[in-house]
Amino acid sequence: EVQLVESGGGLVQPGGSLKLSCAASGFTFSGSTMHWVRQASVRGLEWLGHIRSKPKSYATAYAESVKGRFTISRDDSEHTAYLQMNSLKPEDTAVYFCIRQDDTIDYWGQGTLVTVSS
Amino acid sequence: QTVVTQEPSLTVSPGGTVTLTCASSTGAVTSGYYPNWFQQKPGQVPRALIYSTNNRHSWTPARFSGSLLGGKAALTLSAVQPEDEADYYCLLYYGGAWVFGGGTKVTVL
Repeated sequence: EVQLVESGGGLVQPGGSLKLSCAASGFTFSGSTMHWVRQASVRGLEWLGHIRSKPKSYATAYAESVKGRFTISRDDSEHTAYLQMNSLKPEDTAVYFCIRQDDTIDYWGQGTLVTVSS
Repeated sequence: QTVVTQEPSLTVSPGGTVTLTCASSTGAVTSGYYPNWFQQKPGQVPRALIYSTNNRHSWTPARFSGSLLGGKAALTLSAVQPEDEADYYCLLYYGGAWVFGGGTKVTVL
């Protein structure tokens, strides 16, 4: 069974940093592209970025809105993807999801809540 | 900045048919945008429905179908059931980055 479990969310002050983790199981993690997506309100999904697999040089891509502040990485030995978020702003408050892309974009984690507030 | 536009809301009667569309600010949506569709019910995590324009995942009911329609990606719900009431999001690929549409709230009434 494919499982994705995000962790690391919480309350952080504006200007602070946070690193989210996405622990994967039930599939060949090393062969998958991993995406991060957030949802800042009841409606509205925002794609943040992805990291490809080793055969694709661990290539990353980011949304313009977070480029330069957010960094996606992965540790295939730990079956985990990461989202490093720096210079956080109140508008980064959202639930953050990791998503698997094997041949298709399919499974989502349950999400972790990040609140940026003083 | 690329914008992907969906109808904010649509209403459909039980047993009826409704088509949602997904437009790109860059021009016509083609298969090269690999349109994906996701369903999100209140309080739940989004669930993948359609990939690469018109392909259903193994868990997607046959009443959901994807297509290209008039330069847009489209999701058609046929024989709509009350449990289809949800938010629906499209996702388009722009050669490296992906962009979600703003979502369509489908009400079954």
